[in-house]
Amino acid sequence: GENVEQHPSTLSVQEGDSAVIKCTYSDSASNYFPWYKQELGKRPQLIIDIRSNVGEKKDQRIAVTLNKTAKHFSLHITETQPEDSAVYFCAASKRGGKLIFGQGTELSVKP
Amino acid sequence: EPEVTQTPSHQVTQMGQEVILRCVPISNHLYFYWYRQILGQKVEFLVSFYNNEISEKSEIFDDQFSVERPDGSNFTLKIRSTKLEDSAMYFCASRWSERGTEAFFGQGTRLTVV
Repeated sequence: GENVEQHPSTLSVQEGDSAVIKCTYSDSASNYFPWYKQELGKRPQLIIDIRSNVGEKKDQRIAVTLNKTAKHFSLHITETQPEDSAVYFCAASKRGGKLIFGQGTELSVKP
Repeated sequence: EPEVTQTPSHQVTQMGQEVILRCVPISNHLYFYWYRQILGQKVEFLVSFYNNEISEKSEIFDDQFSVERPDGSNFTLKIRSTKLEDSAMYFCASRWSERGTEAFFGQGTRLTVV
């Protein structure tokens, strides 16, 4: 069935360090891979997304890489700041549009 | 900036009662979704809706659940007879296309069944 595995479940880094979160998806028909940031009690907010025809995308301190062969994609945050602390979810989608979410990573950036 | 709005923000209901959660998607979007998130867990897909009919539903979306788009703007989720395990945050989302476009989430309705 459709599944997205996300690791790690918690991640603690020092301010200024990099953070990497990894996801693996099961459905090879998936073609859209967004990453969401969710603060406590709030809605998921899209921070970056990548489509299957692209291997890497960068937006300032955030980058995402996609390996379609391995069905693997990753989020990279550089120069982390305390305000990056939140739960991050990866997701995968195919035609039809529903998002299958990973289990989430609670990122803590210590000043 | 256009946004998806949901009402109410918090609903407390007795077990066995019916609840209706309301959503106003972004006006030019065509694809509508309901997701739920049990506290501390991941976001789970419930149902997708396009062209005035359900296009896909998950195992969670059983006969107790229904969706409706009664007019050109509202999109509702009804739970006929709530159970304790229905307590969760329910998010509505919309997209203008099903292919590789951003899903915009509402702020959620926290449903508490007592």
